[in-house]
Amino acid sequence: GQNIDQPTEMTATEGAIVQINCTYQTSGFNGLFWYQQHAGEAPTFLSYNVLDGLEEKGRFSSFLSRSKGYSYLLLKELQMKDSASYLCAVRDRGNQAGTALIFGKGTTLSVSS
Amino acid sequence: DAGVIQSPRHEVTEMGQEVTLRCKPISGHDYLFWYRQTMMRGLELLIYFNNNVPIDDSGMPEDRFSAKMPNASFSTLKIQPSEPRDSAVYFCASRVGQGPEAFFGQGTRLTVV
Repeated sequence: GQNIDQPTEMTATEGAIVQINCTYQTSGFNGLFWYQQHAGEAPTFLSYNVLDGLEEKGRFSSFLSRSKGYSYLLLKELQMKDSASYLCAVRDRGNQAGTALIFGKGTTLSVSS
Repeated sequence: DAGVIQSPRHEVTEMGQEVTLRCKPISGHDYLFWYRQTMMRGLELLIYFNNNVPIDDSGMPEDRFSAKMPNASFSTLKIQPSEPRDSAVYFCASRVGQGPEAFFGQGTRLTVV
């Protein structure tokens, strides 16, 4: 099975940088994903890491260390619209050709001016 | 493409009634996932299909829940009989093969009174 932990809530101010951590335990790792979910809306894909290291995509970056079972999402130059829940998810190697994402409970980020 | 389409968007029903939630995945996507989201438990995987075949239903809470995918463009999640603890937002998502991104529908907010 999988176990995914991330902080419940975080706060930050506009223009700042925030790092949201995620630790996981899984029987057969096959990718670490970050999704963003605004209140009342569907989750949307942000990033994907399968190898160790940093993936950068504009203001957002995601880091993975497979040996430590650890990832973080880094948000730079925060904007009010970044206030949302950030969901960490893992995919593991199942006994089938494809597997589903298992999500953590999410980190609610509040950005203030 | 219009994206993943779910209906209804909102459903209020009385305890004991049958509830049917519907999902139309993105055309060409061969994976379909049903998730349930609550404040307490976060986003939980219920069941997923590959090429219309159920692959893993270990997340289905109990026998009151059932899901079908009669063809590549339609899936249903049925709860019979419904209970107040089933109140949640139910999301359907679809994906192409082992691609990194799953696309979520807007969800069905179910309230059982």
